[in-house]
Amino acid sequence: SAVISQKPSRDICQRGTSLTIQCQVDSQVTMMFWYRQQPGQSLTLIATANQGSEATYESGFVIDKFPISRPNLTFSTLTVSNMSPEDSSIYLCSVESDLGYTFGSGTRLTVV
Amino acid sequence: DQQVKQNSPSLSVQEGRISILNCDYTNSMFDYFLWYKKYPAEGPTFLISISSIKDKNEDGRFTVFLNKSAKHLSLHIVPSQPGDSAVYFCAAPGGGKLTFGQGTILTVHP
Repeated sequence: SAVISQKPSRDICQRGTSLTIQCQVDSQVTMMFWYRQQPGQSLTLIATANQGSEATYESGFVIDKFPISRPNLTFSTLTVSNMSPEDSSIYLCSVESDLGYTFGSGTRLTVV
Repeated sequence: DQQVKQNSPSLSVQEGRISILNCDYTNSMFDYFLWYKKYPAEGPTFLISISSIKDKNEDGRFTVFLNKSAKHLSLHIVPSQPGDSAVYFCAAPGGGKLTFGQGTILTVHP
């Protein structure tokens, strides 16, 4: 199955700033998915990123807050903009694979 | 609306005994289910899956049972090992996305 490299693995950021998370896949994939796991909660899909088109956002998530880039079939970025402490979560990218879905190792974000 | 639910936030078992993790779902359109294991500071890793055409799937120490009429699935780990200590998520694909349960923290004591 696909191997995903996600970075940074963790960061502590000041409120009001932005952080960009990168995911690199070792094979070409049509769709990449971005998830958030808030403390003590399940993984929630933020958006689906297709190459060559705008990302599709789930209810409760907007492009201004979580802009996504998908410049090619192996790479995507998620930006968490104008951060507040409520954005402190683990952010994960994922791709569909023959085993279902493969996930990156996650980015643990703490906003202070 | 939580379409996939894991009602037990945590489970503690003794090494060598059976671990049973439960998952319920409400969407009858789900026809495929996956279990993921997640260690701290790592992403979820795929463990085992089951299609709705089956009621059981086994892979080594891991067996998943599906009861479609009850909209319930369970993951059995036998025998449990300390290295199995992790968070376990059940998930169902549908509508172009994967819907996860809340997760169950499994602790296996030596």
